[in-house]
Amino acid sequence: QLQLEESGPGLVKPSETLSLTCAVSGGSISSSSYKWGWIRQPPGKGLAWIGTISHTGSTYYNPSLASRVTMSVDTSKNQFSVRLSSVTAADTAMYYCARQGSCSSATCPRTAFDVWGQGTKVTVSS
Amino acid sequence: QSALTQPASVSGSPGQSITISCTGTNSDVGSYNFVSWYQQHPGKAPRFMIYEVSKRPSGVSSRFSGSKSGNTASLTISGLQAEDEADYFCCSYAGSNILVFGGGTKLTVL
Repeated sequence: QLQLEESGPGLVKPSETLSLTCAVSGGSISSSSYKWGWIRQPPGKGLAWIGTISHTGSTYYNPSLASRVTMSVDTSKNQFSVRLSSVTAADTAMYYCARQGSCSSATCPRTAFDVWGQGTKVTVSS
Repeated sequence: QSALTQPASVSGSPGQSITISCTGTNSDVGSYNFVSWYQQHPGKAPRFMIYEVSKRPSGVSSRFSGSKSGNTASLTISGLQAEDEADYFCCSYAGSNILVFGGGTKLTVL
């Protein structure tokens, strides 16, 4: 059974860079049928897509965050990461990693996030 | 890309049916049949419920169904149960590998 687990600092200072990693277990990150995404949720608010990366390293970012976001993948460690620079209090949120369907079969959840990590809470504060 | 519009809250009694709307634009919901829905209980990660507007993944109850008309997608829950009380989020593909979520709807089972 595929599992995703986020890790990273729970506290980041304003203007610094937030860095999180998502470890994938029970399956290969190199599957061509899936991509890998980051989604965040500020306290008491809705979900917001941050970006998606393929196992080949192709990246797709939310236009509103694109100037500050960098995603990377390490297939040898079966994990992927996100970096968000110049953070402010508005970046305080629960950050989730998730698997995103990228195939065309009838049972493939194309574009949808079908497996999620449990999330990691990040607070931006001095 | 603006967030999709969902009602802040809906409610229903056990056994009843409710529908949650998700309104987008011609650039997202109206142009692609790639709308998905997620259920989130307090303090938990979202759970994948519906994909490609109306398809249900294995393990999701048939009481959950999805549809779309024009720029608005909908999630219907029939035979409402206490365990359905949660937040629900829609998500749509918006072209160029961009995704947009709705603001979320809190479902209360009376």
